[in-house]
Amino acid sequence: GAVVSQHPSWVICKSGTSVKIECRSLDFQATTMFWYRQFPKQSLMLMATSNEGSKATYEQGVEKDKFLINHASLTLSTLTVTSAHPEDSSFYICSASRPGWNSPLHFGNGTRLTVT
Amino acid sequence: AQTVTQSQPEMSVQEAETVTLSCTYDTSESDYYLFWYKQPPSRQMILVIRQEAYKQQNATENRFSVNFQKAAKSFSLKISDSQLGDAAMYFCAYPTGTASKLTFGTGTRLQVTL
Repeated sequence: GAVVSQHPSWVICKSGTSVKIECRSLDFQATTMFWYRQFPKQSLMLMATSNEGSKATYEQGVEKDKFLINHASLTLSTLTVTSAHPEDSSFYICSASRPGWNSPLHFGNGTRLTVT
Repeated sequence: AQTVTQSQPEMSVQEAETVTLSCTYDTSESDYYLFWYKQPPSRQMILVIRQEAYKQQNATENRFSVNFQKAAKSFSLKISDSQLGDAAMYFCAYPTGTASKLTFGTGTRLQVTL
């Protein structure tokens, strides 16, 4: 069964509004989670590393004020797309791994965001 | 910076035949893992196989196996006895920094025909 749950699976919002996406590790504690973005027919691009109890680490070119990440507990990370615009429409995927060196990464089912 | 290259945007294979997807990577590390992930139309990322760089033996998982050439920094995926359910995007991935922070290749779309 799934070990990483992501919600919602799809969301449509109006331009200028904010959208929150949740990522939960179901049966393990994840001190680190990762958020990826995938445009149609393209690869996954890492946006940021979510660290429990501390600030997220953003990849170059990703606006931290635009994509707010909160990792308030060991099983939950949230990504909030603030003041969304049509160019933010994309597929967002979170991932986490069980504790232990080189444990395989488990992915959520992804969230399809459409901004109108 | 580490890079992962998949030179085949699309591949096609007949059912029951064998297909090989290529991947090359660039790293200065000596000990690392490499991964192949499958993304079907549902867009769920599914781990297909992983290879430990310090192991000379190529990893195998049922119909899936790799040809790992460390010196050449090559990590190809062989799918034997292809099935219709194998149709998907396949991504090669290499961890940068921590073992869980993956860099993905551009992907290969595999079609399986009757």
